Amino acid sequence: EAGVAQSPRYKIIEKRQSVAFWCNPISGHATLYWYQQILGQGPKLLIQFQNNGVVDDSQLPKDRFSAERLKGVDSTLKIQPAKLEDSAVYLCASKARVYSDSPLHFGNGTRLTVT
Amino acid sequence: DQQVKQNSPSLSVQEGRISILNCDYTNSMFDYFLWYKKYPAEGPTFLISISSIKDKNEDGRFTVFLNKSAKHLSLHIVPSQPGDSAVYFCAASAQGGGADGLTFGKGTHLIIQP
Repeated sequence: EAGVAQSPRYKIIEKRQSVAFWCNPISGHATLYWYQQILGQGPKLLIQFQNNGVVDDSQLPKDRFSAERLKGVDSTLKIQPAKLEDSAVYLCASKARVYSDSPLHFGNGTRLTVT
Repeated sequence: DQQVKQNSPSLSVQEGRISILNCDYTNSMFDYFLWYKKYPAEGPTFLISISSIKDKNEDGRFTVFLNKSAKHLSLHIVPSQPGDSAVYFCAASAQGGGADGLTFGKGTHLIIQP
């Protein structure tokens, strides 16, 4: 089975610019997550979708971050405007069902550098 | 407030010996625990999990132990192999209360010495 696909792999932007990341989850997986991993830290949940609805966005900085999952499959995460502290790896993960005893499957991430 | 703590940033173990990675948590609502392994420039890969109704789960060379009263879990790798060198993340979630996103620790860098 194909894994979680993310693009781009790397992105370098200047502060105050905008950037978007794309994620295609494992086929049939209803639940999709975006995580932010800052160097030296564990991944931190930003937002969770169940199909095309938001389940949890309590840790998403909504003044600059937005995410959508139209049609319940692919998802995009946007940052506008970017700050230096947004430099991190952005990981997308998916799971077959919410509340199930099954692990999240992660993509390889997008490494963002804000200069 | 860190709800999942991995207090050892790094651990060095000789090849063939046992590796023991530790994790503590503070949120009593957590009922599902996982270990992920991460190589550089790759996403975390699922290794093994345990539900709070169990105290041990085994998969080949990997065993996870859960001590609910101490809010502590550990990952044992026996025997350790060079390919086990990676960063290991402990993660936890509360399955029944709504959103089930994982909360991660900061990770432990395991180095297997030949």
